[in-house]
Amino acid sequence: GAGVSQTPSNKVTEKGKYVELRCDPISGHTALYWYRQSLGQGPEFLIYFQGTGAADDSGLPNDRFFAVRPEGSVSTLKIQRTERGDSAMYLCASSPNRDNEQFFGPGTRLTVL
Amino acid sequence: QKEVEQNSGPLSVPEGAIASLNCTYSDRVSQSFFWYRQYSGKSPELIMSIYSNGDKEDGRFTAQLNKASQYVSLLIRDSQPSDSATYLCAVRSTDNFNKFYFGSGTKLNVKP
Repeated sequence: GAGVSQTPSNKVTEKGKYVELRCDPISGHTALYWYRQSLGQGPEFLIYFQGTGAADDSGLPNDRFFAVRPEGSVSTLKIQRTERGDSAMYLCASSPNRDNEQFFGPGTRLTVL
Repeated sequence: QKEVEQNSGPLSVPEGAIASLNCTYSDRVSQSFFWYRQYSGKSPELIMSIYSNGDKEDGRFTAQLNKASQYVSLLIRDSQPSDSATYLCAVRSTDNFNKFYFGSGTKLNVKP
């Protein structure tokens, strides 16, 4: 079946702009995670959804970051007033439920100029 | 101290050899451990999960877990050039089951 998809694959924006990154999980997966990965580092947890609710947003670095999953499937990560330090690969992963392995999407490479 | 530690490498092995990748973790009561492979510019791909002490084999891959030593390893037998990638170790947090901690990864080079 289809894996996790993420759009866009690349996003270049200017400092101060607003961006939205989209994740479409594997069908039927109720658990959805967002991670951020900088060069040479492992993925860093941002937020976890179980169904429609953000069950854990403890990894969001500040209030410029926000994510939604209104219908329990597609999720959008929103970043306001982007900063150069936000440049990274943003990864989405989904899982049948919280206790199972996660499967990653291809990621969105965000570059803030 | 980071929750998950890996040697960044690169680890170079000749084709056909056994590659041994190691990971240590700080949370003594961690229960769930995962190995991911990540090719340059790509996203992580799950290789194996392991939850109990001992060895778990899947094809050319063997994961080894020693909870007393807080150590998990991945062995790749008959290494191929296509195995050249960064290998990430991940551990589920025990104080927050929603959170997974990843190491920085070990870069493996398999030389033909």
